[in-house]
Amino acid sequence: ETGVTQSPTHLIKTRGQQVTLRCSSQSGHNTVSWYQQALGQGPQFIFQYYREEENGRGNFPPRFSGLQFPNYSSELNVNALELDDSALYLCASSLGQYNTEAFFGQGTRLTVV
Amino acid sequence: DQQVKQNSPSLSVQEGRISILNCDYTNSMFDYFLWYKKYPAEGPTFLISISSIKDKNEDGRFTVFLNKSAKHLSLHIVPSQPGDSAVYFCAASATGSQGNLIFGKGTKLSVKP
Repeated sequence: ETGVTQSPTHLIKTRGQQVTLRCSSQSGHNTVSWYQQALGQGPQFIFQYYREEENGRGNFPPRFSGLQFPNYSSELNVNALELDDSALYLCASSLGQYNTEAFFGQGTRLTVV
Repeated sequence: DQQVKQNSPSLSVQEGRISILNCDYTNSMFDYFLWYKKYPAEGPTFLISISSIKDKNEDGRFTVFLNKSAKHLSLHIVPSQPGDSAVYFCAASATGSQGNLIFGKGTKLSVKP
């Protein structure tokens, strides 16, 4: 059984650029959620995908978007990058939408300069 | 407004003793609670969870207690080991929230040999 894997592990982008982060969910999990963790803070919910549909979204602007594929892997896309987007981006997969354990990947450290 | 609060940024405990990490929440709709452990440069690792229909859940050295009337939960680690040194996050969710886990800011636990 493979765990949640994210790529890349580190990334440096320039303000205004676009970025795509990738996540492979744990085997058998049909739900993927994305979180942003700023320094010294807990993870903040961006959105969740369940069976390829976005079915929950946190307080993030529309320039944060995502996809889930038939194999339940997922992408997070961020357009028009801002300096404040610098953070650790975490992907979590679970079996079911809520009240269940979410298993996290190691994260992608994004730095916007 | 923080819905999940971990008021102690850090905790230091001697090896072999009990570690008690505390978490308070404000949203009475929360009905599922989780604890995660996070090492530097890794994603959060699921430790233990508890449903609001219970007041205690135990898994090996880890026990979570839930006091719904006080909107308070705690994680007990007995006995504490140096390998337990990490940042611990409390998280909560509500049925129907589409997997939106609300995290506290974390407590850094240091277990000294």
